[in-house]
Amino acid sequence: DTAVSQTPKYLVTQMGNDKSIKCEQNLGHDTMYWYKQDSKKFLKIMFSYNNKELIINETVPNRFSPKSPDKAHLNLHINSLELGDSAVYFCASSPPSGNTIYFGEGSWLTVV
Amino acid sequence: QKEVEQNSGPLSVPEGAIASLNCTYSDRGSQSFFWYRQYSGKSPELIMSIYSNGDKEDGRFTAQLNKASQYVSLLIRDSQPSDSATYLCAVNIATGGFKTIFGAGTRLFVKA
Repeated sequence: DTAVSQTPKYLVTQMGNDKSIKCEQNLGHDTMYWYKQDSKKFLKIMFSYNNKELIINETVPNRFSPKSPDKAHLNLHINSLELGDSAVYFCASSPPSGNTIYFGEGSWLTVV
Repeated sequence: QKEVEQNSGPLSVPEGAIASLNCTYSDRGSQSFFWYRQYSGKSPELIMSIYSNGDKEDGRFTAQLNKASQYVSLLIRDSQPSDSATYLCAVNIATGGFKTIFGAGTRLFVKA
């Protein structure tokens, strides 16, 4: 009964490939996020969706495309992977107040 | 100027001591402030939130907020080795919706 679950947990892929990370939350939250945490542990917001609608889109390359088929799911597709995309990607959700963010376990992406 | 700034550490304290973690933020309109703890290889989890000037205590943790100085701190009393982790300061920034911005985190080591 994991609250925010994301798959895969580990992903090793070659430069130029396309990959997807899936995320689901069973908390009933309307808002979902993708965060990226780099090797220096800096956690940076990428996207935020509220009830399937994109509300925050930080300066993320167009190669990153989020998709929210319903408010419980937010997937992340990455095209033409680059070495610099190697990071941990966290899916998260929050209630309407946004005062607590619940994170998934993270997806460790390594591009070689 | 970074939106949320923290000393990256590491901060090393002996077991039983008080650990003091500090954070400054740039958005004067921010109203909500949080401390997340992240163990190595794990996802961040919320440990404290504070919304008003002053102190807020929860067990061994005390969060302090000074909006005039744009300063947030976290005190951990009677530090335990299990408190060794990275502590992330986070601030909600009003941007039409809201956005939670994280600092780079302070690594804390509690020596037994």
